Amino acid sequence: DTEVTQTPKHLVMGMTNKKSLKCEQHMGHRAMYWYKQKAKKPPELMFVYSYEKLSINESVPSRFSPECPNSSLLNLHLHALQPEDSALYLCASSQGLGAPEQYFGPGTRLTVT
Amino acid sequence: GESVGLHLPTLSVQEGDNSIINCAYSNSASDYFIWYKQESGKGPQFIIDIRSNMDKRQGQRVTVLLNKTVKHLSLQIAATQPGDSAVYFCAERNSGYSTLTFGKGTMLLVSP
Repeated sequence: DTEVTQTPKHLVMGMTNKKSLKCEQHMGHRAMYWYKQKAKKPPELMFVYSYEKLSINESVPSRFSPECPNSSLLNLHLHALQPEDSALYLCASSQGLGAPEQYFGPGTRLTVT
Repeated sequence: GESVGLHLPTLSVQEGDNSIINCAYSNSASDYFIWYKQESGKGPQFIIDIRSNMDKRQGQRVTVLLNKTVKHLSLQIAATQPGDSAVYFCAERNSGYSTLTFGKGTMLLVSP
């Protein structure tokens, strides 16, 4: 199974809502990533987990809170988002931290109203 | 800061032609250069990578060339097919940071 799954596919939330994005992989990968991608732009790294520990936080605002419950799951908790946070949120995994080959999920299309 | 960039935002080719997608980089500390393909509605998909100590690497229908003298990377796709239509991103890995930085992307449009 070389698939990374993400739920939900689409999410619309108000600025006062709390929601969570979920990501799952069963490839035994030890590194997992969250990226944000705006339309017609490249993915931008947000967070990196290595062996279930937060390894890198690219100065992401605290309204985004990542969580890695186990080696297969990665969550992104959202609270008090702004309209400019609307984007495609991509999860990826790789065998180890920094591996050039990352496996991406299809993303969650988030709209903040 | 240093970044990876592309010369052409859109490339249109006919089916069966060879395609060349270019990328300029500026970070001399990068030890890997990678090409990803992103189809509409999907996440990026790894195509091929090349270490900084190499100048050419071939895959199935794809070839990546690295010219460190002019800091230039290219992806050649042979016999381009409609299924190759996508946005192509180059990316670089900083050897000290172990994360990928993606370039701006080129849209490849293949017409039958």
